[in-house]
Amino acid sequence: EPEVTQTPSHQVTQMGQEVILRCVPISNHLYFYWYRQILGQKVEFLVSFYNNEISEKSEIFDDQFSVERPDGSNFTLKIRSTKLEDSAMYFCASIPEGGYGYTFGSGTRLTVV
Amino acid sequence: QQQVKQSPQSLIVQKGGISIINCAYENTAFDYFPWYQQFPGKGPALLIAIRPDVSEKKEGRFTISFNKSAKQFSLHIMDSQPGDSATYFCAAADNAGNMLTFGGGTRLMVKP
Repeated sequence: EPEVTQTPSHQVTQMGQEVILRCVPISNHLYFYWYRQILGQKVEFLVSFYNNEISEKSEIFDDQFSVERPDGSNFTLKIRSTKLEDSAMYFCASIPEGGYGYTFGSGTRLTVV
Repeated sequence: QQQVKQSPQSLIVQKGGISIINCAYENTAFDYFPWYQQFPGKGPALLIAIRPDVSEKKEGRFTISFNKSAKQFSLHIMDSQPGDSATYFCAAADNAGNMLTFGGGTRLMVKP
């Protein structure tokens, strides 16, 4: 079964450092998403991306965040200057054109120290 | 108006029993209601989903009941098994951006 692949599975970074989280969505999917889940809390929407541009973003997705699809297969989330409160699981997801069936990756656990 | 409220937060059920998790929403534009199962250290996995044109959908031991007028939907797990022990999230999406709004999650434990 096709999978959404995320790397790394765990990243530890110092406060103020930049991090890039990587995702390889399912190849024929056209909509891409980042969600995050702070430990023990619900999953929260960050951003959606379609046709090489952001289609929607939440209040969480401020100027410190950016997304990119640099090469037609990878989908990245960059946090420019990490804060302690950015510590969370970050999930990438994708869906096909006209579909609602999200496929989530296994996530990247980001720990900011 | 975007909230999805889920209850209970945790649930303990004996093996073979029925697990019931409830969700309520406010946004009448929502038209897709999935349930996700999440095991520790893993991403949410789609379990079953329903659109508002039907009141019930069943897949194996999992059933979604949907009440459009009450703006509520629920997940029933029949013959619950220890392997069903996980966190379950309801969610909702509208046509506009397909962004999912998640409920707060229910940690289910099925005792052998």
